[in-house]
Amino acid sequence: AQTVTQSQPEMSVQEAETVTLSCTYDTSESDYYLFWYKQPPSRQMILVIRQEAYKQQNATENRFSVNFQKAAKSFSLKISDSQLGDAAMYFCAYRSKDTGRRALTFGSGTRLQVQP
Amino acid sequence: NAGVMQNPRHLVRRRGQEARLRCSPMKGHSHVYWYRQLPEEGLKFMVYLQKENIIDESGMPKERFSAEFPKEGPSILRIQQVVRGDSAAYFCASSPNGVNTEAFFGQGTRLTVV
Repeated sequence: AQTVTQSQPEMSVQEAETVTLSCTYDTSESDYYLFWYKQPPSRQMILVIRQEAYKQQNATENRFSVNFQKAAKSFSLKISDSQLGDAAMYFCAYRSKDTGRRALTFGSGTRLQVQP
Repeated sequence: NAGVMQNPRHLVRRRGQEARLRCSPMKGHSHVYWYRQLPEEGLKFMVYLQKENIIDESGMPKERFSAEFPKEGPSILRIQQVVRGDSAAYFCASSPNGVNTEAFFGQGTRLTVV
């Protein structure tokens, strides 16, 4: 079974600064998806960024980018130019490409605080 | 195009009552997933359904919990004889056919058992 570990329960960053959230995972599969989701106080789960394991290039979405290290099974999220609206819980998630196991496996989350 | 709709947003039940949580997937989506989130924890997978079929229920407790996704109407997560430990946020996500597709989440139902 796959597992996802987020070792930072809380992180804090100054507005306009850069912060990196860590995520490691364990799997025996060679191809899969990795995601970062944001959960603000409204509880809505918002997809931030997605990475396919077979793609070498790190995914980027505006101020959000990932550092995907497949051999190390590491998938960190970098938030540049942090904004007050970035304050939220961030969850790393894994999904198999096996059609029978399409559910997401989530980490325990990192609470990000953004200081003005 | 409306997103994934869950209702109710908040549900209060006394111990021993039944809870019914509803999820209407996005238009054109035939895959539904239910997750549970305990306070200060990540989401845990419960069950994966396609229309009229349960594909994977490996995360669902064997007793008191059931789920369905009928040909017509929303998906229902049913919890019988609720206990305090069932208090949590329950999320539904939906996706269209195919493996290379995203799942979109509803806003969740917060169940409180008193």
